[in-house]
Amino acid sequence: EAGVAQSPRYKIIEKRQSVAFWCNPISGHATLYWYQQILGQGPKLLIQFQNNGVVDDSQLPKDRFSAERLKGVDSTLKIQPAKLEDSAVYLCASSHLAGGYNEQFFGPGTRLTVL
Amino acid sequence: DAKTTQPTSMDCAEGRAANLPCNHSTISGNEYVYWYRQIHSQGPQYIIHGLKNNETNEMASLIITEDRKSSTLILPHATLRDTAVYYCIAMEYGNKLVFGAGTILRVKS
Repeated sequence: EAGVAQSPRYKIIEKRQSVAFWCNPISGHATLYWYQQILGQGPKLLIQFQNNGVVDDSQLPKDRFSAERLKGVDSTLKIQPAKLEDSAVYLCASSHLAGGYNEQFFGPGTRLTVL
Repeated sequence: DAKTTQPTSMDCAEGRAANLPCNHSTISGNEYVYWYRQIHSQGPQYIIHGLKNNETNEMASLIITEDRKSSTLILPHATLRDTAVYYCIAMEYGNKLVFGAGTILRVKS
């Protein structure tokens, strides 16, 4: 089966600009996650969707980050305006169910550099 | 969810078993031990998980001590492709994954 797809793979922007990332989860997976991974650290969950509803966005900086999952399939994560500290890899993951067996399948990530 | 402690890095010779320890001394009865790994420039990959009993799959074995305060992930015949960061996570079924810094495993020829 096809894995989690993300685009773009790399993005370089200047601070105060906006940027958007796209994720297509594995077909049939109800739950979608966005993580932020700063260099040298483990991934940190930003937001979790169950179908097209938000389950957990407690660590999403809502003043500048937004995410949506229209029709319960694809998702976009947006940063506006970007700050230097937003430089990181943004990972998308999906799983068949929320709760229960927690095998999450991760995409390759988008590496964001903010100058 | 319980905090886990892992060594920062480990080396292993190619073809030998890699034994990665994890300490989770405050783990509760409902918390599972999950292992993920992350190869350079890729997203994390699920390896294995367990509650009390030892578990084995095509990738690895998980040995959990009887008191459940620690565990060991075993890669029986490490290859260069197993060089990665390995994350040990203790969590209740259905809770969110919280990744620490993990253990950098370097497999050397």
